[in-house]
Amino acid sequence: EAEVAQSPRYKITEKSQAVAFWCDPISGHATLYWYRQILGQGPELLVQFQDESVVDDSQLPKDRFSAERLKGVDSTLKIQPAELGDSAMYLCASSLAGVDTEAFFGQGTRLTVV
Amino acid sequence: AQSVTQLGSHVSVSEGALVLLRCNYSSSVPPYLFWYVQYPNQGLQLLLKYTSAATLVKGINGFEAEFKKSETSFHLTKPSAHMSDAAEYFCAVRNTGGFKTIFGAGTRLFVKA
Repeated sequence: EAEVAQSPRYKITEKSQAVAFWCDPISGHATLYWYRQILGQGPELLVQFQDESVVDDSQLPKDRFSAERLKGVDSTLKIQPAELGDSAMYLCASSLAGVDTEAFFGQGTRLTVV
Repeated sequence: AQSVTQLGSHVSVSEGALVLLRCNYSSSVPPYLFWYVQYPNQGLQLLLKYTSAATLVKGINGFEAEFKKSETSFHLTKPSAHMSDAAEYFCAVRNTGGFKTIFGAGTRLFVKA
């Protein structure tokens, strides 16, 4: 069964350091999402790609976060510098194009900033 | 603007009892609605989705949800809870004219033996 792959699963980093997460969506899925989930809350969309183009990054803290999907396949989310408040689960998801299609989620990366 | 409200951050039921998780949405246009389940330290898994076909939607693991436009609700039910149903459940909404999916805050389901 096709899955969304994310790495690493867990990451501990010190405050002010740089950190990066990687996501490989299900083959053929044009839409890719990065969500942040703070403990006890629902996922919050950080950025959404359609192929290699960003279609929504309104909630992405652009002073420290960046995301790219250069060839319209896999994607990287970077934080620099990391802050204590960035500790959360970072979830990647992908879907076929179309408003009635569901998102398929990876297992996430649990980030702890110390 | 679209939004989702899940009533009750925690729900506790006995094994074999009815599960009812509540979800109300706000949307200016007909929505698409989803229920996802999340186990600890895992991603979200789709349980079921409503896309304007039948108002009663059946999903995996014996769950179902009914879309009620007059009540702007999409409550999730299961006739008989199993210990393995203990998890966090999220309701989500997407406008038919848009592409952004908004998630509720989640309801944690506890199942007592």
